[in-house]
Amino acid sequence: DSGVTQTPKHLITATGQRVTLRCSPRSGDLSVYWYQQSLDQGLQFLIQYYNGEERAKGNILERFSAQQFPDLHSELNLSSLELGDSALYFCASSVGQVTYNEQFFGPGTRLTVL
Amino acid sequence: KNEVEQSPQNLTAQEGEFITINCSYSVGISALHWLQQHPGGGIVSLFMLSSGKKKHGRLIATINIQEKHSSLHITASHPRDSAVYICAVGSQGNLIFGKGTKLSVKP
Repeated sequence: DSGVTQTPKHLITATGQRVTLRCSPRSGDLSVYWYQQSLDQGLQFLIQYYNGEERAKGNILERFSAQQFPDLHSELNLSSLELGDSALYFCASSVGQVTYNEQFFGPGTRLTVL
Repeated sequence: KNEVEQSPQNLTAQEGEFITINCSYSVGISALHWLQQHPGGGIVSLFMLSSGKKKHGRLIATINIQEKHSSLHITASHPRDSAVYICAVGSQGNLIFGKGTKLSVKP
């Protein structure tokens, strides 16, 4: 158990809908990262927050947004969902920047868009 | 060309064999991570290194910064080592991932 929790575990929804994925980092970790893993693209970095502030942005679509709250949990919002958004979404946390710190992954949320 | 290349893509070994997985990268990095993804999907961080060599149990990771290359070795492989091993480099505040190496260890 990494200490990082993600909810829900599975999510099935329809095209055009909006969903929210939730992540609670390990106790003491200030950085939260969101990743998308699809069969054809592999793991891709979406966005990072550090202590409530956006720190780095990767291949995140405009339809997607995230935020980190004062209690350090984070939410990833996916809207106007398309079939291609079906993927595993991982959250990870670290004490500081991942470039210098070990990262701990949550169990992931499997999103299926029908 | 991908910024992080792993080889081989797939690897089948017999229990007890010594295994090497390679990772080459083309960007400047601050650290390199080796991750293990279990068949169920969970991801575990194995190593983070920026120079030299690290060892944890039967796993050894090395990095050569000048050659932009890292290797992950598994000694005395076991069927429970069967997983996807992913190399990721820390660059400009985020991680860039390789496509992974799928390892299957037969008893």
